[in-house]
Amino acid sequence: EVQLSESGGDLVQPGGSLRLSCAASGFTFSSYAMNWVRQAPGKGLEWVSIINDSGGSTYYADSVKGRFTVSRDNSKNTVFLQMNSLRVEDTAVYYCAGAGGSGWSHFDYWGQGTLVTVSS
Amino acid sequence: DIQMTQSPSSVSASAGDRVTITCRASQGIGSWLAWYQQKPGKPPKLLIYAASTLQSGVPSRFSGSGSGTDFTLTISSLQPEDFATYYCQQANSFPRTFGPGTKVDIK
Repeated sequence: EVQLSESGGDLVQPGGSLRLSCAASGFTFSSYAMNWVRQAPGKGLEWVSIINDSGGSTYYADSVKGRFTVSRDNSKNTVFLQMNSLRVEDTAVYYCAGAGGSGWSHFDYWGQGTLVTVSS
Repeated sequence: DIQMTQSPSSVSASAGDRVTITCRASQGIGSWLAWYQQKPGKPPKLLIYAASTLQSGVPSRFSGSGSGTDFTLTISSLQPEDFATYYCQQANSFPRTFGPGTKVDIK
């Protein structure tokens, strides 16, 4: 059974930092690109970042570029999102999602999400 | 960035109804489009990718069509478990972008 389990969400003050983790099992993690997608309370989905299967290529949404860094450890089947200089508008549920298709085009697997709240 | 729009933003329907949701991209994306279903408090679930390919395990009452800039998701006969919000997502380029969602609720 495929499982993605996010952790690390918390209440943090503006300007603070958090590191999210997503542990994967039940599929060949090292063959999948991994994404972070977020959803602000009551809002739609916003793609945040992707890291390719080897970890050698990453992309970011403009809204987080320069503040967030995605990384992965294929030996531990885990992907990370380091979030710095957090803003109130970063408040959201953060999902990790695996993309295995051609061009990493679609998100086959999703975690249950972890809540990040940025507030003073 | 490629902007995605969806219509309608919400639709009220009854079980057994045929429901069609439209997604439009601000520029051509070929067939690089996916559809997701999301229920409250749950993560999204992949329904369709490559515009018309049904994800394994998804009921055949769901279908997708289109290419270029205009796409549709059709539910041929709405079931009680289909009441949810549906999102399209383009995969032609980075950043990946989602449509704003279409909420399907009970009439």
